[in-house]
Amino acid sequence: NAGVTQTPKFQVLKTGQSMTLQCAQDMNHNSMYWYRQDPGMGLRLIYYSASEGTTDKGEVPNGYNVSRSTTEDFPLRLLSAAPSQTSVYFCASSYTQGKQYFGPGTRLTVT
Amino acid sequence: GEDVEQSLFLSVREGDSSVINCTYTDSSSTYLYWYKQEPGAGLQLLTYIFSNMDMKQDQRLTVLLNKKDKHLSLRIADTQTGDSAIYFCAESRRFGAGTRLTVKP
Repeated sequence: NAGVTQTPKFQVLKTGQSMTLQCAQDMNHNSMYWYRQDPGMGLRLIYYSASEGTTDKGEVPNGYNVSRSTTEDFPLRLLSAAPSQTSVYFCASSYTQGKQYFGPGTRLTVT
Repeated sequence: GEDVEQSLFLSVREGDSSVINCTYTDSSSTYLYWYKQEPGAGLQLLTYIFSNMDMKQDQRLTVLLNKKDKHLSLRIADTQTGDSAIYFCAESRRFGAGTRLTVKP
């Protein structure tokens, strides 16, 4: 099992550009999550999905969008990148309320 | 709102015990978790405790849960330099800010 994979590992965007961060898991987990990690603020939940076809907003959803059309994939879209979205993004998956398995992260810089 | 809080830094000498503390507000979680993050990597589950337990021991790790005070702690015995990392307390989808543990030789 590859576990949770994320691409790309690094990305630099200009303000106003859009892009999609990819996340995939091969553990047949029903729940998937997107977090951002900023210094001194821990992980903050952006969006999560309890099952295929459902998504819910987390603590900081503004400027992002997600979809869950398959069990395996949970892409995160940045609609119009802003410098405030410079962060490290982590995708995770789990069974319902279970321990989460994290991907290696995507380091995003918006200039 | 619901929150998970932990101190940001802890420094210990190699061979000492480390104790990382966490407080939380949501008492409905079935499990409480400790994750470890090494530099440049994602988070890895270190250990977890079921909410109706008071203590769980796993080799050098001891988790204590005080449900009345909503206080969770992680004790690492015989701390090694390889234990230097950031430790996150979590309940469900909510994470603390992380405690950076530095182990000095």
